[in-house]
Amino acid sequence: ETGVTQTPRHLVMGMTNKKSLKCEQHLGHNAMYWYKQSAKKPLELMFVYNFKEQTENNSVPSRFSPECPNSSHLFLHLHTLQPEDSALYLCASSQDHYEQYFGPGTRLTVT
Amino acid sequence: GQNIDQPTEMTATEGAIVQINCTYQTSGFNGLFWYQQHAGEAPTFLSYNVLDGLEEKGRFSSFLSRSKGYSYLLLKELQMKDSASYLCAVIDSNYQLIWGAGTKLIIKP
Repeated sequence: ETGVTQTPRHLVMGMTNKKSLKCEQHLGHNAMYWYKQSAKKPLELMFVYNFKEQTENNSVPSRFSPECPNSSHLFLHLHTLQPEDSALYLCASSQDHYEQYFGPGTRLTVT
Repeated sequence: GQNIDQPTEMTATEGAIVQINCTYQTSGFNGLFWYQQHAGEAPTFLSYNVLDGLEEKGRFSSFLSRSKGYSYLLLKELQMKDSASYLCAVIDSNYQLIWGAGTKLIIKP
């Protein structure tokens, strides 16, 4: 596979469930990102990892928990989410701070 | 605070030219990106400007004026497939990418 992949593409979960989103990049980049995209709002940066180290956490609620086991893989663990967390979750990667390559996203619905 | 402003929506005719503006107020500047995002898909890179002036790439061109905090994306010979959202993003002094809300471009035959 090439580029940035994300699984699952669609996820419906209840507020008491625990689930994880997965992202993998095949580009040899050293930085990976999680974004939340809600309708008609700017992309919201959630987490940034450089060389597996978390460098940004933009006041994201603790019900979102990132994990970066190596520079190619990124996870977002979800638990006790709220309906307002329903959105498109995008993963991206870049070499240093330049052009970001995005995955196709996971459409999350919290019921 | 940091802010990126773009029109919410624009409409243009197939074959015509459209200019999408972006103004920004950020703490420092290390470059500006334009991305295209089709409905239900991931954003894809269009252009990067760090110096003042016009960058041309086929039917798409991007302009930057750092003194005015202003950029535009120019799309020529519009095609129906150009219907998408166009996102402006600025790298600030901390190398954080600040995103605009995007401009939805509707192309009519």
